Amino acid sequence: QSALTQPPSASGSPGQSVTISCTGTSSAVGGYDYVSWYRHHPGKAPKLLIYEADRRPSGVPDRFSASKSGNTASLTVSGLQAEDEADYYCGSYTVDSDNFVFGGGTKLTVL
Amino acid sequence: EVQLVESGGGLVQSGGSLRLSCAASGFTFSSYWMHWVRQPPGKGLVWVSRISGDGRITSYADSVRGRFTISRDNARNTLYLQMNSLGDDDTAVYYCARSWAELDYWGQGTLVTVSS
Repeated sequence: QSALTQPPSASGSPGQSVTISCTGTSSAVGGYDYVSWYRHHPGKAPKLLIYEADRRPSGVPDRFSASKSGNTASLTVSGLQAEDEADYYCGSYTVDSDNFVFGGGTKLTVL
Repeated sequence: EVQLVESGGGLVQSGGSLRLSCAASGFTFSSYWMHWVRQPPGKGLVWVSRISGDGRITSYADSVRGRFTISRDNARNTLYLQMNSLGDDDTAVYYCARSWAELDYWGQGTLVTVSS
């Protein structure tokens, strides 16, 4: 069981927006702004999309945005494209154990 | 260009050992924490271990503590994961990743299969 809870699946049509939630605790997600989001196409290296809760690395399109409120972080993918069909994971350090944890992952389907 | 290339995976019997390597290039290796993350078949990403840039600080997931050892050779720009007492639950693709706070670059992974 993951320390961070994500919905197992999400879907949307091309051009639409989808939001994926990530619920943690006060010691993971809530305790830090070091929440990150990753996209993973099976068989490939995971890719960092968001760091420090709402910041995009260079090269990541602004279609990807994120926020955090309390113990819940959210990733929004706007203008859905076929290439966005993938697994999405949130991640955070934990204040108490000083380890890193991932959410269980959300499979995004582009209809 | 940052590159991380894992190697050392393969088929190993239950109770056996394996050492994974991750060759890093394109950045100052000793300046970064490094992590191992795994993905069991059909499941999500699971954090395994991390090590500080100078190798002095390490931490492990509860599921591997006491069986796995993370280490690094900064002269060779290489990260290692020594895995002992392997069990079926350790079957996974193992990824190495570089981190500041977030895990910003990842390798393509190496498959470890534990057979009973």
